[in-house]
Amino acid sequence: GNSVTQMEGPVTLSEEAFLTINCTYTATGYPSLFWYVQYPGEGLQLLLKATKADDKGSNKGFEATYRKETTSFHLEKGSVQVSDSAVYFCALSDPSASKIIFGSGTRLSIRP
Amino acid sequence: SAVISQKPSRDICQRGTSLTIQCQVDSQVTMMFWYRQQPGQSLTLIATANQGSEATYESGFVIDKFPISRPNLTFSTLTVSNMSPEDSSIYLCSVYQEGSLDTQYFGPGTRLTVL
Repeated sequence: GNSVTQMEGPVTLSEEAFLTINCTYTATGYPSLFWYVQYPGEGLQLLLKATKADDKGSNKGFEATYRKETTSFHLEKGSVQVSDSAVYFCALSDPSASKIIFGSGTRLSIRP
Repeated sequence: SAVISQKPSRDICQRGTSLTIQCQVDSQVTMMFWYRQQPGQSLTLIATANQGSEATYESGFVIDKFPISRPNLTFSTLTVSNMSPEDSSIYLCSVYQEGSLDTQYFGPGTRLTVL
């Protein structure tokens, strides 16, 4: 079945460091891929998405490219800020079941 | 995107009691969903709330424990019945962006603590 595997956390970085959170997926067909973010004490917000191979989603300085050949959708940001501290979830759509499948989440903490 | 609100935002309840959580959307949507997020965990889909018919539950979730109502296209409720401390979680509702069956938007969540 469809599944999402993402980098174990927690991840701790210093401000202005480069961020990569790895995400790989298993899917039949052509799912859309997402990154959601959950700030402390809040619900989930859609951060970015990509709907087909080689698409790049971007928002708030974050980017992720849909790589079909490596079945990956890694999240990157060139220079993180303290305000980026949150839990990040990689996810894919499963059109056959009208569902979103989530990864386990990666907690990111940024030190000033 | 749709604007989703939930009530209450948080609650502390005694074991054995029930709590009903409301989800309101600012536009009509076809599909609404309820998720549970246990402490430190990812999201688990509880059920799809269907307007005009019974909810569709995922494996491991039953109607007696989590009854759901969906009286119209903008509103749904989830009840957590006969609560135990294991039900302490964040409960979130979500909707699909209308006209799209891939992007879901989430409410702010209801943080439930059961003593």
